[in-house]
Amino acid sequence: QQQVKQSPQSLIVQKGGIPIINCAYENTAFDYFPWYQQFPGKGPALLIAIRPDVSEKKEGRFTISFNKSAKQFSLHIMDSQPGDSATYFCAASMENAGNMLTFGGGTRLMVKP
Amino acid sequence: DAGVIQSPRHEVTEMGQEVTLRCKPISGHDYLFWYRQTMMRGLELLIYFNNNVPIDDSGMPEDRFSAKMPNASFSTLKIQPSEPRDSAVYFCASSFLAGNEQFFGPGTRLTVL
Repeated sequence: QQQVKQSPQSLIVQKGGIPIINCAYENTAFDYFPWYQQFPGKGPALLIAIRPDVSEKKEGRFTISFNKSAKQFSLHIMDSQPGDSATYFCAASMENAGNMLTFGGGTRLMVKP
Repeated sequence: DAGVIQSPRHEVTEMGQEVTLRCKPISGHDYLFWYRQTMMRGLELLIYFNNNVPIDDSGMPEDRFSAKMPNASFSTLKIQPSEPRDSAVYFCASSFLAGNEQFFGPGTRLTVL
């Protein structure tokens, strides 16, 4: 019930492409869905987050699409750049569980020049 | 603020030795989290504190692991005795409210020989 499943595990796109990373969850009590970005040798950092009262959120080139009925959410990176090459983690949490995040397995993205 | 500070950044030790990892959260943050990251298991939450009190330690792998938070500005994660399977990157993160962004430290890369 606490698991968040993320796919694909790795992704290679050309510069300018639109990589899409998908996550699915089971626990309908989850009410906060962040995406974290991690560069090699660094800790994860919050990229963008969404709550289930909206179906889409955009911040710059990054967009989260959220499908509450399907219990799925995805990250789209528009006009991807080599500097976007990193590992991306989706996560989920419940307000009544403090701020305890359940992370997906991660997606290693490579954007080729 | 310098962000979340972790020490040491790298630790190499021999099996059976005691290892202590240290974390200084961001000032004013009242939640502190310890995570472990490995290729096989991804990012796992080990334990988290709220106002220096351990709230959920269900992710602590076994009795060899212990964590303390004696005050609002310091936490330790101790492994005694260490085993090769404990080799991983250990992250500390903090946040100031439930449902808010977690700020991760740079991590401690632990190698147990």
